[in-house]
Amino acid sequence: DVKVTQSSRYLVKRTGEKVFLECVQDMDHENMFWYRQDPGLGLRLIYFSYDVKMKEKGDIPEGYSVSREKKERFSLILESASTNQTSMYLCASSLAGQSSYEQYFGPGTRLTVT
Amino acid sequence: AQSVTQLDSQVPVFEEAPVELRCNYSSSVSVYLFWYVQYPNQGLQLLLKYLSGSTLVKGINGFEAEFNKSQTSFHLRKPSVHISDTAEYFCAVSEPNTGNQFYFGTGTSLTVIP
Repeated sequence: DVKVTQSSRYLVKRTGEKVFLECVQDMDHENMFWYRQDPGLGLRLIYFSYDVKMKEKGDIPEGYSVSREKKERFSLILESASTNQTSMYLCASSLAGQSSYEQYFGPGTRLTVT
Repeated sequence: AQSVTQLDSQVPVFEEAPVELRCNYSSSVSVYLFWYVQYPNQGLQLLLKYLSGSTLVKGINGFEAEFNKSQTSFHLRKPSVHISDTAEYFCAVSEPNTGNQFYFGTGTSLTVIP
């Protein structure tokens, strides 16, 4: 079974703090993705990565950065958290090479910025 | 880029009644189509996918979907719903040669009423 884990289910941070969200997958997938999920807006892609040290901006990268130093781990960084970054964050992974491969999702991290 | 429309944000239905959740996408180019389900406080789980071949696709938990190329639709159906089907449902589209990037709809919240 593919397993995608996220470091925290719930997180509360203060405005201006630096926040790290960690994602680990155990299926040797090349592709990894970070989404944010908001009511009425669905899932929006923040960043994705095709390989170690590779990253590509998604639809809403502003205010975020990412790091992929190892194949199994993909980190999302909020350099200076703001209240409008309060959201559910979902990590996903997939095999590379075909757009037909499904994405496997972690359980999500619900982040509240106060 | 694709645009994915889920026409109904909320669908209430009585237990054992049939249900259809609608999904339309914007482009008529070759696409791959997916339906995901998200149970409360969980990540997304694949219900079914259409890659090619038969336009009627069967998935888990008794769900099925029909691909209609001329109407650019991929509606999800179940002939008889259970309380346990209460969840958020997301339609997603990917295109060949785009590196497995998915475009998600805004989601449909299905509530099954006893």
